[in-house]
Amino acid sequence: DQQVKQNSPSLSVQEGRISILNCDYTNSMFDYFLWYKKYPAEGPTFLISISSIKDKNEDGRFTVFLNKSAKHLSLHIVPSQPGDSAVYFCAASDETGTASKLTFGTGTRLQVTL
Amino acid sequence: DAGVIQSPRHEVTEMGQEVTLRCKPISGHDYLFWYRQTMMRGLELLIYFNNNVPIDDSGMPEDRFSAKMPNASFSTLKIQPSEPRDSAVYFCASSTGQGLFSGANVLTFGAGSRLTVL
Repeated sequence: DQQVKQNSPSLSVQEGRISILNCDYTNSMFDYFLWYKKYPAEGPTFLISISSIKDKNEDGRFTVFLNKSAKHLSLHIVPSQPGDSAVYFCAASDETGTASKLTFGTGTRLQVTL
Repeated sequence: DAGVIQSPRHEVTEMGQEVTLRCKPISGHDYLFWYRQTMMRGLELLIYFNNNVPIDDSGMPEDRFSAKMPNASFSTLKIQPSEPRDSAVYFCASSTGQGLFSGANVLTFGAGSRLTVL
């Protein structure tokens, strides 16, 4: 059973526009959420995170929003750049204060076009 | 630091053969994780170690899979015998294991080992 779901396998956005990647989860015990970015032939790299005590976290062009009641989070990239083209994984953890046993989604492939 | 190092990067083998994937975590990281990436299931956690001790192997799909961590700088994931459905990219990751809210508990992944079982 997929506890973290990314229902859009792919997304295409024009350069300069906003990219919105969505993620839903089912486990109400998840209390920390992360986004990882993956380029071809490389491992995923950490992008941004948010704890359940917040509803928004911003880092430069990247903002993550968390709606706990809906069990939904989203990653906004503004403005989108061609270098943002990658696969984005949403991840969640329910082990506060201990090692991150992360549960990942299936990923969304973002393509930023010129 | 060179990061998490995995080998081989690519492995093509025939069904029934033994496969061994290797990982060298970042020095000083107490936690090591093995993940498998497939199109259908994304990144699945197979097993993780803390201070070389396996903590949770509930994600290991079958007895054909085994993992060891003989010391702090080396881990192996073995599949014996391999089957075509084992074809996937296998990632190793490590972390310091500090509290999540400190921001330090972020996984650092290796580049992965792409396994193809014919």
